[in-house]
This record gives sequence, structure tokens and C-alpha cells, in this order.
Amino acid sequence: NAGVTQTPKFRVLKTGQSMTLLCAQDMNHEYMYWYRQDPGMGLRLIHYSVGEGTTAKGEVPDGYNVSRLKKQNFLLGLESAAPSQTSVYFCASRGGEAFFGQGTRLTVV
Amino acid sequence: GEDVEQSLFLSVREGDSSVINCTYTDSSSTYLYWYKQEPGAGLQLLTYIFSNMDMKQDQRLTVLLNKKDKHLSLRIADTQTGDSAIYFCAETPSGNTPLVFGKGTRLSVIA
Repeated sequence: NAGVTQTPKFRVLKTGQSMTLLCAQDMNHEYMYWYRQDPGMGLRLIHYSVGEGTTAKGEVPDGYNVSRLKKQNFLLGLESAAPSQTSVYFCASRGGEAFFGQGTRLTVV
Repeated sequence: GEDVEQSLFLSVREGDSSVINCTYTDSSSTYLYWYKQEPGAGLQLLTYIFSNMDMKQDQRLTVLLNKKDKHLSLRIADTQTGDSAIYFCAETPSGNTPLVFGKGTRLSVIA
């Protein structure tokens, strides 16, 4: 997908561990989003940002934190991972068109 | 609040046309999008339409927008087995509001 890179692509965590997912875009977009995708649930918005230094809660923000210190990067943090956070995480950025990263598959055991 | 509805499944024969429908609730939506997701992959932007348009065509894809009824459709002509995927409709309500997605339509193409 054009210009949105997520790292890592896969990760297995133990319950209680922490990690940070990185999203980087090179399109100078103001808006960036983090979604999670679970079977039968579609995409649910976790947090989003409307510009550098801003963040806002989405539909399912509990257990996650985010930061947008630089315009091109949007970080999603899990402070204490729980099995309910096992999911596929997608980052997106939007100017007019909205582009997605390839996803991070996270398993919490 | 905003809501986007899609039927969950569609099955068509190879070579036929597919029509995937979507309804949305926010009349102030600016952009409306169609994404394709293949198994294990991310969301690929297929096409989008700005709210002041009523039709957009791009090769085998035709998007129709009925703003009065808040109805969006995606027509895929000459559907191929490679078109089998989940298709998501999404809208951007006005201002800074994030994209709102439907739950996706799983398209199965029968050879």
C-alpha cells in the first residue's frame, strides 16, 4: 500500500508485557488512525490523530495509548497486554484518499 | 451517530457482474471509499467518490452514489476468481471525524 508502513508485522506477547507498534507515512497526511480487526467485527477505531501533537480516542481505546510526536509517525502502545488484545492492527493515514498499512498480527498468550 | 451497513455475503458466477451495496447515515459525508481485503492481507483502496459526484468509473469498477437515499454501490464487471475477497465500504463524515467502516461484504466467485 502506498506510503504507509507498519512495524512489526507479527508479534507474540505474554500477558502483562508491553510493546509499541509503529506506523510511518510519507505522504504528509494530517490524519492518522489505528484500527483493530477481529473476526466478524469489521474494523474498530482505537485512537486517531488529526495532526502532529494531537490524539483522540476512538471506539475501543481502553488498554491502548498513542503518541504523534512527529507528523509522519503514529505510535500505538500496549502497556500491559491482555489476551483480549489478540488481533490484527491496521494503521491508516488520510489526505483525501485514505491508505492502510499491511497490518500487525499480534497474539497475546 | 454514524453507521455504515453492508450485506455480509455475495456469491456470483465467474464472468457475471457483481454489485455490492452500502448504506450510510451521515448526509454530510465528504468522501466515500471502497476497499478490498484478500485473506491475510491489508486493505487495498480500490476507488473512492467525492460526495458531489454521482458516478465514477475505473476500468471494471463502477461506483454509484445516491446521496438522497444515502446509498453507495460498487459494480464489478466480468467478475473473476481473483476478485474473491472482502469489500469494505467507508465514509468520512465532515470535519476531522475518522473513517467509519461497514463490516464488509464477502464476495465469492464461482468458476
